[in-house]
Amino acid sequence: NAGVMQNPRHLVRRRGQEARLRCSPVKGHSHVYWYRQLPEEGLKFMVYLQKENIIDESGMPKERFSAEFPKEGPSILRIQQVVRGDSAAYFCASSPPWQGASTDTQYFGPGTRLTVL
Amino acid sequence: SQKIEQNSEALNIQEGKTATLTCNYTNYSPAYLQWYRQDPGRGPVFLLLIRENEKEKRKERLKVTFDTTLKQSLFHITASQPADSATYLCASSKDSGYSTLTFGKGTMLLVSP
Repeated sequence: NAGVMQNPRHLVRRRGQEARLRCSPVKGHSHVYWYRQLPEEGLKFMVYLQKENIIDESGMPKERFSAEFPKEGPSILRIQQVVRGDSAAYFCASSPPWQGASTDTQYFGPGTRLTVL
Repeated sequence: SQKIEQNSEALNIQEGKTATLTCNYTNYSPAYLQWYRQDPGRGPVFLLLIRENEKEKRKERLKVTFDTTLKQSLFHITASQPADSATYLCASSKDSGYSTLTFGKGTMLLVSP
């Protein structure tokens, strides 16, 4: 079974450029979560998506950040006009269709490390 | 707002001893708590989940407890090994089902041979 896949693993951007981070969930999982981990900080929730729907984006910065999970293809986290403060590790997690309490676990990808110069 | 706290200081123990990590929560009652392991440069890996109506959960050398009176979860690794050295994250969710997780900052465990 392939786990959650994220690419690229490392991404370097200059200030003002756009960053696109991709996440392919575990096969059969229909729910995707994005988290950000700043140096010396814990994982912070950003956005929760189902296919073609944003369920909860309460952790997403109001400007420059957007996310989608289309019917076909990976989930994309897009950061426009990046700034140095966007440098962090971005993790994607997925979970299966809910079938009771045993499916509350989230499965994480290896992360994308974004460096803004 | 929901708050999860873990001891920020690294825990150093000798191989073979039991490691005990603490997770405290405030301002809410989580439906469940989860423990993850994270190695440097890697994503978190799920270890155990314990629900609010469960006192204790075990998996091989791992044990988790959930005390709703103390608002605390303890994570134990018995017969610790150097390979157990990693950062351990506590996470909680208010609701069962699809729900976002609130994470603690993690506690680094170092097991010396």
